[in-house]
Amino acid sequence: NAGVTQTPKFRILKIGQSMTLQCTQDMNHNYMYWYRQDPGMGLKLIYYSVGAGITDKGEVPNGYNVSRSTTEDFPLRLELAAPSQTSVYFCASSYSLVYEQYFGPGTRLTVT
Amino acid sequence: AQSVTQLGSHVSVSEGALVLLRCNYSSSVPPYLFWYVQYPNQGLQLLLKYTTGATLVKGINGFEAEFKKSETSFHLTKPSAHMSDAAEYFCAVSVADRGSTLGRLYFGRGTQLTVWP
Repeated sequence: NAGVTQTPKFRILKIGQSMTLQCTQDMNHNYMYWYRQDPGMGLKLIYYSVGAGITDKGEVPNGYNVSRSTTEDFPLRLELAAPSQTSVYFCASSYSLVYEQYFGPGTRLTVT
Repeated sequence: AQSVTQLGSHVSVSEGALVLLRCNYSSSVPPYLFWYVQYPNQGLQLLLKYTTGATLVKGINGFEAEFKKSETSFHLTKPSAHMSDAAEYFCAVSVADRGSTLGRLYFGRGTQLTVWP
């Protein structure tokens, strides 16, 4: 099993551009999450999903959108990129609340 | 909202010394507690977790943590540090949101562990 995969690994965007961060898991997990990690700030939840077609906002959803059309995929969309969105983005999945979350390797995004 | 406090953003120990990373949380209901480790340029990996039962939890790589409800703490320890333990460690709390069965994981800000030879 590949676990949680994320693409791309690195990306540089200009202010105002848009992009989609891809996340795929092959563990048949219902729960999926997007976090951003900023130095010294830990991880902040952007959006999460408890199954195909069901998503909800986390702590810092502004400037992002998600969709969940399949169990496996949970893409994160950035519209009108801003420098404040420069961060490392992690996708994670879990079987349920009490089980561990499995993390992807991350996408390092720079907006200039 | 829940909060997780990790005391000390940086901890340095000598190889072979005791590792103690502190974590305190606030939660009005019994929480699920986790410690994750992050090596450079990698995602997070679970070290150990507490859900119910025995309050002393053993994890991978010789780490363990004890849930102390009265102190709202979940400190991570390892008797003897190894160079390979150098990484960033995150404490996390998972609770169901009020009025919902959906849960979220709240992370502390992380503690960078340095191990000196």
